[in-house]
This record gives sequence, structure tokens and C-alpha cells, in this order.
Amino acid sequence: GQQLNQSPQSMFIQEGEDVSMNCTSSSIFNTWLWYKQDPGEGPVLLIALYKAGELTSNGRLTAQFGITRKDSFLNISASIPSDVGIYFCAGQPPNFGNEKLTFGTGTRLTIIP
Amino acid sequence: DTGVSQNPRHKITKRGQNVTFRCDPISEHNRLYWYRQTLGQGPEFLTYFQNEAQLEKSRLLSDRFSAERPKGSFSTLEIQRTEQGDSAMYLCASSSNRGDTQYFGPGTRLTVL
Repeated sequence: GQQLNQSPQSMFIQEGEDVSMNCTSSSIFNTWLWYKQDPGEGPVLLIALYKAGELTSNGRLTAQFGITRKDSFLNISASIPSDVGIYFCAGQPPNFGNEKLTFGTGTRLTIIP
Repeated sequence: DTGVSQNPRHKITKRGQNVTFRCDPISEHNRLYWYRQTLGQGPEFLTYFQNEAQLEKSRLLSDRFSAERPKGSFSTLEIQRTEQGDSAMYLCASSSNRGDTQYFGPGTRLTVL
């Protein structure tokens, strides 16, 4: 099935560094969501974006809904060990009644001691 | 805990057997979704319900798969005559009537031997 282009695929950083990842699509979305997934668990919602250009923060996390409606980015500032995991973007298309989410391929974040 | 719950968390079965998974959504949510996630990929949409009505099914959902939500509350996903390719994490999510933010359960990890 279709998946969004998410980059980078993986990141190796030191504790305290800032992180940036992004997601692009060939089609427009009405909603962008960012999730974090730990091994063996379901995705946990981090940030939801509903409007083109919207910039939203949740603690050390900041995400933006691109003006073209075809991209989004997520920044994590001052990373800590519990930030380790896989981050997924997900988009919801504008067609009324088409509720399904299309997910990115994920960014695996590893913190080097 | 008032989040989405799924049972069982893990299921190991032999090829050819039938399996059934259950999802209990967040109590005030009337939309319920099933996704499948294979190793190294993001979740892929399978089907979704609004109340008891099944409104969309992905082409990923072969004839061996059936989902129900008889009373508009919990849902079941049954896989008949399982194949090794069915091995995956099966995720359930729910959302409110606005349908814009989906909250995921912990998933059921299926292994077909």
C-alpha cells in the first residue's frame, strides 16, 4: 500500500541534541499527525495538525503543517533517553468520508551514550 | 484506563488455523479502525466502522479476513485459514465523530508458523 516519504530513516544522536525529521507526500492532506512507537506497542499520538501553516508544540516537540499541505516536519529539542523509538508521520486526505490514515515509513531514533 | 484495548496481545498459530482478535475502543468514540503493520513498515489501513456500519475496506483485506462491530462498541477481526504472510502486528484505533484524531491500542502480534 501507499506510504509517505519520511526522512531520515534512522538517526543516531547524543543526549541533549536537537532532532529534525520530515514527511512528504505527492498528494495533499487535511490533517497531519505525528506518532511515536515503542517496540511491541501501538503508536502513541504526539501532535495533531489541522491547518496548512499551523505550528504546534507539545513540550520539547514542535511540528508544522506545510503550506502546500503536502509536507510536515517534527522537531525534538534537547533529546533525552526516553525519546528513543520510531516516529511516524500520518496524513488524512481531504475527501469527505475517507477517514483512513496513510503512514510514513518511520524514523528510528537512537541515542548514543 | 480509558484507552483503546486489544486482546490478545500475542497470538501464535499454525498455518491453516483461524484466529480472532478483539478491540475495545475509547468509550465515547463511534469510529473504529483496523490497521496491519509488518516489520520495518508503518501501519497500513485495513478497514473502518462508523458505529456498526463497515464503511471502507482496503484491498489488503482478502476474502479470508472479516471484521465485525455488531453493536457499535467492540470489534472483532477474524482471519480464516491463516498463512505465514499474515504474520504482523494488527492495530486497532478509534476516533470521535469528527474522525480527525485516531488513538491506537497496543496491538495484537500474530505469528503464523
